[in-house]
Amino acid sequence: EPEVTQTPSHQVTQMGQEVILRCVPISNHLYFYWYRQILGQKVEFLVSFYNNEISEKSEIFDDQFSVERPDGSNFTLKIRSTKLEDSAMYFCASNRGPATNEKLFFGSGTQLSVL
Amino acid sequence: RKEVEQDPGPFNVPEGATVAFNCTYSNSASQSFFWYRQDCRKEPKLLMSVYSSGNEDGRFTAQLNRASQYISLLIRDSKLSDSATYLCAVNPKQAGTALIFGKGTTLSVSS
Repeated sequence: EPEVTQTPSHQVTQMGQEVILRCVPISNHLYFYWYRQILGQKVEFLVSFYNNEISEKSEIFDDQFSVERPDGSNFTLKIRSTKLEDSAMYFCASNRGPATNEKLFFGSGTQLSVL
Repeated sequence: RKEVEQDPGPFNVPEGATVAFNCTYSNSASQSFFWYRQDCRKEPKLLMSVYSSGNEDGRFTAQLNRASQYISLLIRDSKLSDSATYLCAVNPKQAGTALIFGKGTTLSVSS
């Protein structure tokens, strides 16, 4: 069964450093997403991406965050200057399109720890 | 009012029990509804979509009540392997694509 893959599974970084989280969405999917989950909290929407541009973003997705699809397969989330409160599990997800009942498939996540 | 609300539980039930979870949503224009299952420190996995007419998948039944703006999940004949956190997810916009999640309800099934 096709799946969303994410690398690395764990990332430890120092406060103020830049990190890039990587994702390979399912190959025939067109919409890509990043969500995050702080330990013990809910899964929070960050951003959605379609046709090489951001289609929606939440209040969390401020200027320190950016997304990119650098080639035909990868989808990345960059955090420019990490803060302690950025420590969370970051999930990439994808689906086939904007149909409102379209199912969303998640990768296994990258656990980011900011020290 | 939060967009998607769930009773966090935990619900502690014996094997074989029937258990039901509810989820309320604030945006009456919401179009699509899902239940996801999340195991500890793992990704959410789609359990089932929720349709207006209600739907069933084996031991799991999902219902949607648009008038009262809630969805429900019923699990019959609980198994030990059903122990997990169950997340309600709602698409709150007619044309948007992002799902908004509730905080989840934790279920613990014991022998």
